[in-house]
Amino acid sequence: DQQVKQNSPSLSVQEGRISILNCDYTNSMFDYFLWYKKYPAEGPTFLISISSIKDKNEDGRFTVFLNKSAKHLSLHIVPSQPGDSAVYFCAAYGGHTDKLIFGTGTRLQVFP
Amino acid sequence: NAGVTQTPKFRILKIGQSMTLQCTQDMNHNYMYWYRQDPGMGLKLIYYSVGAGITDKGEVPNGYNVSRSTTEDFPLRLELAAPSQTSVYFCASSPRAEANEQYFGPGTRLTVT
Repeated sequence: DQQVKQNSPSLSVQEGRISILNCDYTNSMFDYFLWYKKYPAEGPTFLISISSIKDKNEDGRFTVFLNKSAKHLSLHIVPSQPGDSAVYFCAAYGGHTDKLIFGTGTRLQVFP
Repeated sequence: NAGVTQTPKFRILKIGQSMTLQCTQDMNHNYMYWYRQDPGMGLKLIYYSVGAGITDKGEVPNGYNVSRSTTEDFPLRLELAAPSQTSVYFCASSPRAEANEQYFGPGTRLTVT
């Protein structure tokens, strides 16, 4: 039972363009969502989060949008840079669980 | 400030062998976690701890054991290694459950043959 889904295993974007990474969830009790970034041979690092009381949170080039009615969130990276090439994990928290539930990840490649 | 450190970085085990994956954090975080990541999959929680002396099972605890005798250390024990335990293991810590901004170690890549 995959409560957090990232249906695109990979995404390729040209440098300077927008990267949009998507995430869907099934548990309507989730009330906090996070994005983590992972480089090869390193642990994930926290990128940005959003509470369910908001529909948008912005931090520099990174913006997360939350659509609660659709149980969908997305991460926008503008402009994309080659250093953004990594695996991005969506994670959710709340409801009956006090633990983070991770998606399967999307590998982003930003090419020159 | 080292953050979360894990040892070893790599290990190859034979079926039936045992080993302990070490995890240490120097941020005085109460919460610590062990995850495994299989290829093409997300991170699955194995065990977690909300403070010294307190541990609890996560999503996939079978075949593993943990202890938390100090705030800093949270070792993960594999007693009888099986090929299904081939994975990358990540330890993480966080200052409180509500923040859920977990700080991850670099991981241990384990192969069981």
